Amino acid sequence: EDKVVQSPLSLVVHEGDTVTLNCSYEVTNFRSLLWYKQEKKAPTFLFMLTSSGIEKKSGRLSSILDKKELFSILNITATQTGDSAIYLCAVGSGNTGKLIFGQGTTLQVKP
Amino acid sequence: DVKVTQSSRYLVKRTGEKVFLECVQDMDHENMFWYRQDPGLGLRLIYFSYDVKMKEKGDIPEGYSVSREKKERFSLILESASTNQTSMYLCASSQAGPWKVDTEAFFGQGTRLTVV
Repeated sequence: EDKVVQSPLSLVVHEGDTVTLNCSYEVTNFRSLLWYKQEKKAPTFLFMLTSSGIEKKSGRLSSILDKKELFSILNITATQTGDSAIYLCAVGSGNTGKLIFGQGTTLQVKP
Repeated sequence: DVKVTQSSRYLVKRTGEKVFLECVQDMDHENMFWYRQDPGLGLRLIYFSYDVKMKEKGDIPEGYSVSREKKERFSLILESASTNQTSMYLCASSQAGPWKVDTEAFFGQGTRLTVV
């Protein structure tokens, strides 16, 4: 059975801290790994990773994939209160592109 | 811009009712998904469709069925609603890509269903 596991499930930090969110997976026929941010509405797309070792970066956020060890990390540097959200990891798998999500990490950034 | 539209933002239904949740996307995407989201459980896949009339069960299909008669529309059906189906329901779509790399999934705004 395909599985995506995120850790930690929740995290509280102060503004300016750096955080690392983890996502490990076990799926049949890996296609891609995606990160989303969810505030009080629908998830919004952050990154898609398909190749090991290539960092994707957008401002203070970055992510990397390790296909050998079957995990990805999402880093957020110099956190701000606006980074408070649920961060979701998803993996596309199989011959048809099914997309499975992890439980999410709830990040709270305090002023 | 890709648009995924769910027919209702909020719904209240009675136990035992048959409930239809509709989702329409306007970007000709092959893949469409129905998830439910509950606190601490993330998004759990109910059903996935990769083409018209084609579907795959997700992790929690029990008590649900789906219909995809047209490419742009994917319907989720609760055959006999129960209180444990009270949840946020999210529809998404993505483009099937070459080399088995699909685009990211785009989400609708969600339907908060309460079954009383």
